[in-house]
Amino acid sequence: EAGVTQFPSHSVIEKGQTVTLRCDPISGHDNLYWYRRVMGKEIKFLLHFVKESKQDESGMPNNRFLAERTGGTYSTLKVQPAELEDSGVYFCASSQDRGSYNEQFFGPGTRLTVL
Amino acid sequence: AQSVTQLGSHVSVSEGALVLLRCNYSSSVPPYLFWYVQYPNQGLQLLLKYTSAATLVKGINGFEAEFKKSETSFHLTKPSAHMSDAAEYFCAVSGTGGYQKVTFGTGTKLQVIP
Repeated sequence: EAGVTQFPSHSVIEKGQTVTLRCDPISGHDNLYWYRRVMGKEIKFLLHFVKESKQDESGMPNNRFLAERTGGTYSTLKVQPAELEDSGVYFCASSQDRGSYNEQFFGPGTRLTVL
Repeated sequence: AQSVTQLGSHVSVSEGALVLLRCNYSSSVPPYLFWYVQYPNQGLQLLLKYTSAATLVKGINGFEAEFKKSETSFHLTKPSAHMSDAAEYFCAVSGTGGYQKVTFGTGTKLQVIP
């Protein structure tokens, strides 16, 4: 079974440009999460989808970030326009709905560098 | 609100020595606790988890952790370090229940010296 995949693995853009990150969850996983790790800091939660609906987007830093999950399958995270402080590693995770504990499986991350 | 504190951003041990990575948590509700590992150029991998069953939890690759409620700790140990254990380790906490975001610590990079 394929794990969580993310594309691209690396992205280098200039300040003010737009970047779109993609996450493909494990097939059948209704829950999809985005996290971000800024250099040297902790991995922080951004948002959570249940199927195509945003369940919790309390971690989204500002309105330059837009996440979508059309059809409840893959998700995209768009940053527009990108700022220097957006640099970091963006992780995606997915989980099934099994009740009290749903293990989150993480992808390899996308390393974003904004110059 | 939940938080995790990992003591030591870098830890060095000799091959064959005990590995001890410290983690303290804060949670207003009974927590689930996790240790994740990230090997170079790879994603986060779940090492072990505490989900309110046994307080001593065994994980993959010989690692284990003990949940100590009185000390709000969940330290990770391994009796004998191997070169392949060199990686970054993250302690994390979540609430119980199905849809819970995970709150991570800042990570500890483990170096194993031959």
